[in-house]
Amino acid sequence: DGGITQSPKYLFRKEGQNVTLSCEQNLNHDAMYWYRQDPGQGLRLIYYSQIVNDFQKGDIAEGYSVSREKKESFPLTVTSAQKNPTAFYLCASSINYEQYFGPGTRLTVT
Amino acid sequence: GQSLEQPSEVTAVEGAIVQINCTYQTSGFYGLSWYQQHDGGAPTFLSYNALDGLEETGRFSSFLSRSDSYGYLLLQELQMKDSASYFCAVVSGAGSYQLTFGKGTKLSVIP
Repeated sequence: DGGITQSPKYLFRKEGQNVTLSCEQNLNHDAMYWYRQDPGQGLRLIYYSQIVNDFQKGDIAEGYSVSREKKESFPLTVTSAQKNPTAFYLCASSINYEQYFGPGTRLTVT
Repeated sequence: GQSLEQPSEVTAVEGAIVQINCTYQTSGFYGLSWYQQHDGGAPTFLSYNALDGLEETGRFSSFLSRSDSYGYLLLQELQMKDSASYFCAVVSGAGSYQLTFGKGTKLSVIP
């Protein structure tokens, strides 16, 4: 059963802590993406990766970091430098213009 | 940079037809996509227009006019399950297919 998995579904952290969100895909897609969604807003691109060991900043990369050591995995770290980290985080992968999204992780930082 | 405009909310009656418009200002435009997202869920791909004209997929159709920087999503024979948010997204960046999303239109289908 091919798809994208994100874990956990809900995550709670204290301010000042780094937190890593998981994203795994078994669709054999080269490109992967991380988006942030705030209530009533569209998705904003944080980082994307076209191939293993390469990634590019999106529109709102400040306070975030990523790695792409394997084709299947693209974890996102929300660092303590991110001023407003509470949001819904969505991971996606694609082979062309169609992006496939994971179920998302809802991060709450207090 | 990219910017997209779409209505924030639309309400329509079950069985009716609704059109959701999207205008965009962009550089490096390759096409316009539409995604559906139910509350708390993941966006799912609906359609992609790279060329001018109408693309039909079942009850959903999508239109693009590149000269007018305008597109729309047409939903026919509305069902209650169509209540969701609909996002237009500009596709840019050859090879990486980056998406820039609009803020979404929340569609409420009423009996």
